[in-house]
Order: sequence, then C-alpha cells, then structure tokens
Amino acid sequence: AQSVTQPDIHITVSEGASLELRCNYSYGATPYLFWYVQSPGQGLQLLLKYFSGDTLVQGIKGFEAEFKRSQSSFNLRKPSVHWSDAAEYFCGEVTGGGNKLTFGTGTQLKVEL
Amino acid sequence: KAGVTQTPRYLIKTRGQQVTLSCSPISGHRSVSWYQQTPGQGLQFLFEYFSETQRNKGNFPGRFSGRQFSNSRSEMNVSTLELGDSALYLCASRKTGTLDEQYFGPGTRLTVT
Repeated sequence: AQSVTQPDIHITVSEGASLELRCNYSYGATPYLFWYVQSPGQGLQLLLKYFSGDTLVQGIKGFEAEFKRSQSSFNLRKPSVHWSDAAEYFCGEVTGGGNKLTFGTGTQLKVEL
Repeated sequence: KAGVTQTPRYLIKTRGQQVTLSCSPISGHRSVSWYQQTPGQGLQFLFEYFSETQRNKGNFPGRFSGRQFSNSRSEMNVSTLELGDSALYLCASRKTGTLDEQYFGPGTRLTVT
C-alpha cells in the first residue's frame, strides 16, 4: 500500500537550533515528493519539491530537504529555527497515477524561545 | 495573482443535511483537487477534476461528490451529513500535469452537529 510516514508527531526545538523532520515514502520507484507547512487555521503552503536531479533541494524560508533513495527518505532540515517556524509540517508523495497527493500524518513543530 | 479561494470559510450544519462548498482556482489553473483534513485521519484525498472531468477519486462514500465548471471553478457536495464529516475541507489547484505543484486554499471548516 502506498504510504508516507512521518515518525515524529511532535517536535520541540529551541529558537536558533537546527531542525530535521523525518519522512519516509513507499510508492514510487521515481517518487515525486513535497513538503508543505500549515499554520493554524490556514491552508498548506509548499516549502519545496523533489522530482529528479540534485538530491538536495532548496526551498523557501531557509528550508532544504535531502532525497535518499537507499533509505526511502526525504527529510526536511533547517540550520537555525525561528519562532515563526512553529507550525505543522506535512510530507507528501504524488500517487494515483500522478493525480493526487498522499500525505503523512504531519509533524507538529514547537519552538521554544 | 490571486490565490485559491474557498467559500464559505466556516459552516455549521445539522446531521442529515447536505452542503455545497466552493473553490475558485488560481487563474490559468485547470486542475482542482479536494482534500479532507481531520485530527484522526489526517489529510485525505477526495477527488480531482480537470477540464470538467473527474480524473481521480479517493476512498470516500458516494455521499461525497463534486463537479467542475468550464471556468475551472469547482464545487463539492456532501449529502446526508454525518457527525464524522466535520472537518477542514481543502481545495488545491494546479496548472495541468503531474509535475505541477498544487496550491492550496485556506479551507472550509465544516462542523456537523
């Protein structure tokens, strides 16, 4: 079954610390992967995407993600977290013949000042 | 360029009623997808419309239906509402194909009492 796994439901980091959010995919041999962020009461905003090419992908707001085929992972990273990064983060994979996103269960990020 | 808009933003309905939600995609986008977000089930794909045709459908009962108009605007309808239909309903649009990222609207918060 196609699935995206985000093992961490909640993560708390101090402002200025580094961040890594984990994501594992399982659908495609050539996966199309995304990271979205959702602030309370808002829709989802795309942070970055990976289709092919360079396995280290740069996104908005200083985020990056690394695709590792051997580990079926697409982890999101940020070197220095800001208080405004507190939100819920969703990893997603294009499935269903390319016409839908399958999301992980999300990781709630809390930033301590 | 205006983003994806959804109306209404909040809705309260009674069990057994039906509801229609509306989504206006970004100008030039021809694909509209709908997702249901609940604390228990997370983000789940409902269906996608492209050029007025349903292109893909998730695992939801027939009470959930949708349509797309010639101007790409989309509506989704839920008939015979159940308490479990209470959720945030998100609409996303994209230009056409698999490699195009999806842009999400702010969602419609539906509460069924």
